[in-house]
Amino acid sequence: KNEVEQSPQNLTAQEGEFITINCSYSVGISALHWLQQHPGGGIVSLFMLSSGKKKHGRLIATINIQEKHSSLHITASHPRDSAVYICAVRGGGATNKLIFGTGTLLAVQP
Amino acid sequence: KAGVTQTPRYLIKTRGQQVTLSCSPISGHRSVSWYQQTPGQGLQFLFEYFSETQRNKGNFPGRFSGRQFSNSRSEMNVSTLELGDSALYLCASSLMEAGTEAFFGQGTRLTVV
Repeated sequence: KNEVEQSPQNLTAQEGEFITINCSYSVGISALHWLQQHPGGGIVSLFMLSSGKKKHGRLIATINIQEKHSSLHITASHPRDSAVYICAVRGGGATNKLIFGTGTLLAVQP
Repeated sequence: KAGVTQTPRYLIKTRGQQVTLSCSPISGHRSVSWYQQTPGQGLQFLFEYFSETQRNKGNFPGRFSGRQFSNSRSEMNVSTLELGDSALYLCASSLMEAGTEAFFGQGTRLTVV
């Protein structure tokens, strides 16, 4: 079983829909990252969370440390949101090593 | 402020050859981590450097090695290339040794033929 599990693996939405991507992890963490990867490879960091909730524009990320679960929400989705969304966790201690989920491929259709 | 720069962007090598990839972190960042991304295995941790010291190493064979220089730039080397080494190699820089955000480069796409 992977240490970081994401669901769903693939998601197709219509423009304007509310989208939720889930991430569950089985290890102790110091932080959880949500990343976005467009075709071509470059990865952009969307959020780094260690508790609670963060919001940036139409994106909202939440984390429940007790339940070892995080969600990424996209409100009013747009075709430009189409990308792979990756959840990654960082363990405790003096490290920046990330353990990644398998990613969620999101396609938003106009 | 310039982002993380990886060179080269694309590389084609033959089996048995060796390759060196370079990563220049954001100015002032002292931590560099390397990751391999393949369709089958996803993103996997290779190694992590902070202030020229390797802090962590992933579960990869000894053919994969790296180093970090005093200016925080990092290189990774893969010797005796195999077809399975074809992948996107990404580096990420962070300001401190732990607890700060990771900024990723565009990656180097290595194809081994």
